[in-house]
Amino acid sequence: DAGVTQSPTHLIKTRGQQVTLRCSPKSGHDTVSWYQQALGQGPQFIFQYYEEEERQRGNFPDRFSGHQFPNYSSELNVNALLLGDSALYLCASSYGTGTIAFFGQGTRLTVV
Amino acid sequence: GQQLNQSPQSMFIQEGEDVSMNCTSSSIFNTWLWYKQDPGEGPVLLIALYKAGELTSNGRLTAQFGITRKDSFLNISASIPSDVGIYFCAGIYSRDMRFGAGTRLTVKP
Repeated sequence: DAGVTQSPTHLIKTRGQQVTLRCSPKSGHDTVSWYQQALGQGPQFIFQYYEEEERQRGNFPDRFSGHQFPNYSSELNVNALLLGDSALYLCASSYGTGTIAFFGQGTRLTVV
Repeated sequence: GQQLNQSPQSMFIQEGEDVSMNCTSSSIFNTWLWYKQDPGEGPVLLIALYKAGELTSNGRLTAQFGITRKDSFLNISASIPSDVGIYFCAGIYSRDMRFGAGTRLTVKP
């Protein structure tokens, strides 16, 4: 039983570029949440997808957008990258909203 | 919003010592979770607590859901070198999950 998988594991982008990160949830899970974790900080909630719709959103600008596919996998898109977007991006899946989430290993994004 | 205050920020202990860390909030939560994160990895769930007053153990780890639903603590007994890492508390209320800033644990052999 595969857990939560994220791709790629590492990524380097230039300021102003756009990036897409991908997440496959744990088998049986239908909800995907995305978090941004800056160095030395706890994960900060970006948004949550359930039934292919964004159900909740944290305090992140519209440059951060996402999508959930019928197979429950999800993408996180960030436009017009800033240096401050450099972080570990974590995907977490759960069965239903508001339940225990299991995390992937994260994607380390570096913006130069 | 619902902010979690986790303390201490960091701990340096000797192998074999016991460890205690806690998380407090001004808001109530329905579920408390404790995660451990190793460098470059995602957080791994250690313990989940569902009821006020609940005390749950997982090996050398023990966690409690505070009676007021506004706090939780995690104890690690007889620490070993592989306990090194960052421990995060997380609280769930309705569909909202929030994280503390983490406690960085260093264990000296």
